[in-house]
Amino acid sequence: AQSVSQHNHHVILSEAASLELGCNYSYGGTVNLLWYVQYPGQHLQLLLKYFSGDPLVKGIKGFEAEFIKSKFSFNLRKPSVQWSDTAEYFCAVTLIYNQGGKLIFGQGTELSVKP
Amino acid sequence: IAGITQAPTSQILAAGRRMTLRCTQDMRHNAMYWYRQDLGLGLRLIHYSNTAGTTGKGEVPDGYSVSRANTDDFPLTLASAVPSQTSVYFCASSDSRTKLHNEQFFGPGTRLTVL
Repeated sequence: AQSVSQHNHHVILSEAASLELGCNYSYGGTVNLLWYVQYPGQHLQLLLKYFSGDPLVKGIKGFEAEFIKSKFSFNLRKPSVQWSDTAEYFCAVTLIYNQGGKLIFGQGTELSVKP
Repeated sequence: IAGITQAPTSQILAAGRRMTLRCTQDMRHNAMYWYRQDLGLGLRLIHYSNTAGTTGKGEVPDGYSVSRANTDDFPLTLASAVPSQTSVYFCASSDSRTKLHNEQFFGPGTRLTVL
């Protein structure tokens, strides 16, 4: 069955530290890849997405992610985190064969940034 | 303001009671979805609808039903609530008629507690 794995459940960093959150998926076909962010008490917001083209995609607030097809990965990165980046981050995959666009979500990674 | 609204914001419900969570979108998206969010499990799809008049089962459909009488509304009904349905429920929508653009937009969520 198709699945999405996020390796880190909870990450704690100090401000200005670099961030990399891992995401791997299991599906042999074409995919769309997305990262969503959920700030405390809020709903999910799209951070960035890869649909085609350049595998290095840039999103809002200085985040970027690289799609490595051979590794089935779509890791999220940020060179220098801020306290305001404290949130939960979800990796999601859409399987292209599915016209309805059903996303499969990872379990989420909670990021805590210490000031 | 275009977007997705959900009601109620939160609800405490006695086990065995019937409850309908409301979701309305004004973006004219063809597809709508219901997810539940539980700690450590990420978001799991309950039901979805690719277009008005059609619905489908997601990953965790048992105990829930949906209807899609028109494009804008997608209510989720718990016929007889049980404590394991305590969760945060998110409604989402997308314009999935173009397969390459499966970005989903999320509502603010409904926090449901079943006692």
